[in-house]
Amino acid sequence: AQSVTQLGSHVSVSEGALVLLRCNYSSSVPPYLFWYVQYPNQGLQLLLKYTSAATLVKGINGFEAEFKKSETSFHLTKPSAHMRDAAEYFCAVSGGRTSYDKVIFGPGTSLSVIP
Amino acid sequence: EAGVTQFPSHSVIEKGQTVTLRCDPISGHDNLYWYRRVMGKEIKFLLHFVKESKQDESGMPNNRFLAERTGGTYSTLKVQPAELEDSGVYFCASSREDRVGGYTFGSGTRLTVV
Repeated sequence: AQSVTQLGSHVSVSEGALVLLRCNYSSSVPPYLFWYVQYPNQGLQLLLKYTSAATLVKGINGFEAEFKKSETSFHLTKPSAHMRDAAEYFCAVSGGRTSYDKVIFGPGTSLSVIP
Repeated sequence: EAGVTQFPSHSVIEKGQTVTLRCDPISGHDNLYWYRRVMGKEIKFLLHFVKESKQDESGMPNNRFLAERTGGTYSTLKVQPAELEDSGVYFCASSREDRVGGYTFGSGTRLTVV
């Protein structure tokens, strides 16, 4: 079984500052890991995914995340926040290639960007 | 490729009425999932189809919810009769068999039961 925790339900950063959204997971099998973003009144958009290839994953809009097995973490970062990054971010996990496990979401982190 | 399409995008119904949500997955995606987010809470899994078969329906809240995927193409999720606590956003997602490409989500259906 898989589960996800996200530290901080709300994060505020200044425009131009580093964005760091934390995610820790638990999984009984080698996981696939994802970050999704939901902008106001929109659906869920995939930012990036880890599927057992490179541990540093680059996504859209300048975001990246690093898979650290020893820490069971998959934190999301962006060097410089933009106002348009204000949204809700969800970390998610699923079982790997041989598993039928569905994707399990974390509770989400709401990111605010202060001008 | 076309994305996952859901409709309607919004639905407002009265308590006790019936509503049917539809999801058209990406062509060729055998896996289809339904999720919902109620009152800004966590996104919760409802069920998973592999082609036309229900692989996992452990998240279905009760027997007022009925999901179908005839022919392994589009899926419908019917709520009958709707209750106030069913209000929320219902998301559909699809993925390839190996899920390497991740799960592609639709824009969701916002259901309001009054």
